[in-house]
Amino acid sequence: GNSVTQMEGPVTLSEEAFLTINCTYTATGYPSLFWYVQYPGEGLQLLLKATKADDKGSNKGFEATYRKETTSFHLEKGSVQVSDSAVYFCALSSGGQNFVFGPGTRLSVLP
Amino acid sequence: GAVVSQHPSWVICKSGTSVKIECRSLDFQATTMFWYRQFPKQSLMLMATSNEGSKATYEQGVEKDKFLINHASLTLSTLTVTSAHPEDSSFYICSARDHQDTIYFGEGSWLTVV
Repeated sequence: GNSVTQMEGPVTLSEEAFLTINCTYTATGYPSLFWYVQYPGEGLQLLLKATKADDKGSNKGFEATYRKETTSFHLEKGSVQVSDSAVYFCALSSGGQNFVFGPGTRLSVLP
Repeated sequence: GAVVSQHPSWVICKSGTSVKIECRSLDFQATTMFWYRQFPKQSLMLMATSNEGSKATYEQGVEKDKFLINHASLTLSTLTVTSAHPEDSSFYICSARDHQDTIYFGEGSWLTVV
């Protein structure tokens, strides 16, 4: 079956540091890939997505590239801010099946 | 962008009573909606998939008689927690899928059973 693996957190960075959160997946067919963010006490928000190989999703300074050869969709940001502190979920959707989420990675950014 | 609204955001109910949570897609039609439960500091657990006009499909281990799901229209799905008990206290999140296969989430509903 489909699955998503994320690096385990928590990840703690200083403000303006470079962020990478690794995500790899296993899926049949050609899934769409997503990153969702959950701020404290809130629901999930779509951060970015990519629907085919080599697509790059980007939003709010975050980027992720759909790499079919390595089955990865790593999330990156060049300079994190305190306001980026949240839990980040990698997810996939394939062939009309329901979503499969990774376990989430908690990011804490210190001033 | 597409918006999914959940109501209520917070609810406290007495043990043994039932509580209903609504999930609405505000600017798109969603033939499929999903209900998740999230325990503190854990990932989302899919409870059931709700298809408009048909019975919901429940995940293994989820009691369908306890968590009643109704998807009466293309923009509304409801989750009713029947005979709630303290162990049902949790954060419940719905999501809806648009025609481009993108999932949008509601804000979530905190349920506390006392």
